[in-house]
Amino acid sequence: SAVISQKPSRDICQRGTSLTIQCQVDSQVTMMFWYRQQPGQSLTLIATANQGSEATYESGFVIDKFPISRPNLTFSTLTVSNMSPEDSSIYLCSVEGTGGYEQYFGPGTRLTVT
Amino acid sequence: DAKTTQPPSMDCAEGRAANLPCNHSTISGNEYVYWYRQIHSQGPQYIIHGLKNNETNEMASLIITEDRKSSTLILPHATLRDTAVYYCIVRVGRKLIWGLGTSLAVNP
Repeated sequence: SAVISQKPSRDICQRGTSLTIQCQVDSQVTMMFWYRQQPGQSLTLIATANQGSEATYESGFVIDKFPISRPNLTFSTLTVSNMSPEDSSIYLCSVEGTGGYEQYFGPGTRLTVT
Repeated sequence: DAKTTQPPSMDCAEGRAANLPCNHSTISGNEYVYWYRQIHSQGPQYIIHGLKNNETNEMASLIITEDRKSSTLILPHATLRDTAVYYCIVRVGRKLIWGLGTSLAVNP
């Protein structure tokens, strides 16, 4: 299994600002995923990030609002831009295991927008 | 949209088996069933997955009906640390489609 860390673990931000969340993996992985989990809800996939290519966004999510970088095989960032209170959520990154079947998740970043 | 339905909550006595049901009546022939759990304030943890056959690992067993329209996750000897939200998920391509999950409370 992969060990995944995220920074920051939590943050409180003001409306209109941006926050960049970092995801670091202890091994090289091809596929990385970013999810959002709104309060009391399940997980929703934001985008899939392959190293060396543009991220693929799911319906309802756009690059201007959630730009993603994937500079190498162990690291990715997600930026939440021009935040509003509706962006208050837990943001999770995950990676695909070597078998291609399972995904391993980071601990999440708890974001509160005031 | 979620492809699975689960009861919102269940209780189980410590040391007993926990049987968590899931309906996935619209699942396609090549789509896998996955189970994850999320302990409060942590990232989801992979438990098990299967396609047609029953599966068992060190954490749990997965029983899939012959018509693949439903499945059951079995925790053979539940402990207090198994208290979590359990998600039954259908994998479509490389994407996991998450439902609302079952909140399992294991009681002493």
